[in-house]
Amino acid sequence: AQSVSQHNHHVILSEAASLELGCNYSYGGTVNLFWYVQYPGQHLQLLLKYFSGDPLVKGIKGFEAEFIKSKFSFNLRKPSVQWSDTAEYFCAVSYRGGTSYGKLTFGQGTILTVHP
Amino acid sequence: DGGITQSPKYLFRKEGQNVTLSCEQNLNHDAMYWYRQDPGQGLRLIYYSQIVNDFQKGDIAEGYSVSREKKESFPLTVTSAQKNPTAFYLCASSISLGQSQVPQHFGDGTRLSIL
Repeated sequence: AQSVSQHNHHVILSEAASLELGCNYSYGGTVNLFWYVQYPGQHLQLLLKYFSGDPLVKGIKGFEAEFIKSKFSFNLRKPSVQWSDTAEYFCAVSYRGGTSYGKLTFGQGTILTVHP
Repeated sequence: DGGITQSPKYLFRKEGQNVTLSCEQNLNHDAMYWYRQDPGQGLRLIYYSQIVNDFQKGDIAEGYSVSREKKESFPLTVTSAQKNPTAFYLCASSISLGQSQVPQHFGDGTRLSIL
């Protein structure tokens, strides 16, 4: 079965620290990749997405992610986090082809807590 | 503003009771989805619908039912057969299931608890 794995359940950082959240997926075919964020009390929203082309994708609020096909990874990064980045982050994969066409498979989520 | 409206925000179910969660969208999206969110497990797909009067089971459909009589509405019924219904339920929509490049828009969710 197709799956998405996020390496860390809870990450705690101080402001200005660098962030990297890991995401790996199990499918070897063509995929679209997404990172979503859920701030406390808010609905899930798209942070960034990769469909094709440049594997380094830049999203909102200074976040970026790099698609490494050989490693089946799509790690999320931010050079310097802020207190307002405290949220839960979800990696998601959309597989192209077969019966899974278009559906999103989500990772378990990583809670990021940033201390001022 | 276009968006997805889920109601109610909080819902309580008695043992043996069916409850229905509402999801309405005014984005003119073709595809709609129901996800269940549990702590430490991320989001899991319950049902999805590509067009009106058509829907497919997701990964955890047992104990749930849906209908899609109108493009803008995709209600989810949690039946008494669902033995562990306490969770956060999210509704989502996208332009087309076939156009997998389109990310999904999400509602604010309904939190269901058992009395």
